[in-house]
Amino acid sequence: KNEVEQSPQNLTAQEGEFITINCSYSVGISALHWLQQHPGGGIVSLFMLSSGKKKHGRLIATINIQEKHSSLHITASHPRDSAVYICAVEVSGGGADGLTFGKGTHLIIQP
Amino acid sequence: GAGVSQSPRYKVAKRGQDVALRCDPISGHVSLFWYQQALGQGPEFLTYFQNEAQLDKSGLPSDRFFAERPEGSVSTLKIQRTQQEDSAVYLCASSLDPESNQPQHFGDGTRLSIL
Repeated sequence: KNEVEQSPQNLTAQEGEFITINCSYSVGISALHWLQQHPGGGIVSLFMLSSGKKKHGRLIATINIQEKHSSLHITASHPRDSAVYICAVEVSGGGADGLTFGKGTHLIIQP
Repeated sequence: GAGVSQSPRYKVAKRGQDVALRCDPISGHVSLFWYQQALGQGPEFLTYFQNEAQLDKSGLPSDRFFAERPEGSVSTLKIQRTQQEDSAVYLCASSLDPESNQPQHFGDGTRLSIL
């Protein structure tokens, strides 16, 4: 079982819709990251959070440490939001120093 | 300012050849990470440097993989005697320092294809 699970794997929506992508993890973490990856490979860090909620423009990220769950929301979605959204965690208490990633959610926003 | 730069952007090699992938982190960034991303999958951790010290290489899949960062800046990931299963995007990321709670900044990756 993967330590980081994302859902859905694929999501197609119409422009303007409210989008939610979910991430669940099974290990103790010190931080959780939401990343955006466009075709061609480049990854952009959207959020890094360890508690509560963060907002940047039309993007909102929340995390519930007790339930080991995080969500990424996109309001008023636009075709340029089409990308792969990846949840990644920093595992606490030793182990690898790098991030542990989910497999990503492939989002397509149709005009 | 300049971000994380990786080169080459694309690399095609024949099975059995050695390859070297380069990462130029953001200037002043102490931490440097290498990740491997297979097609349709999320990235997976390979190795981590703090300055020139390789503190974690637990993710390197075999002894054919070797990484170095001799002066604590530029890093090279070398793969010897490449195999087809090495085909992937290799991502490099850097962050300011391990104590500052800063996000990792990613390069665009090197797409490696082994024929």
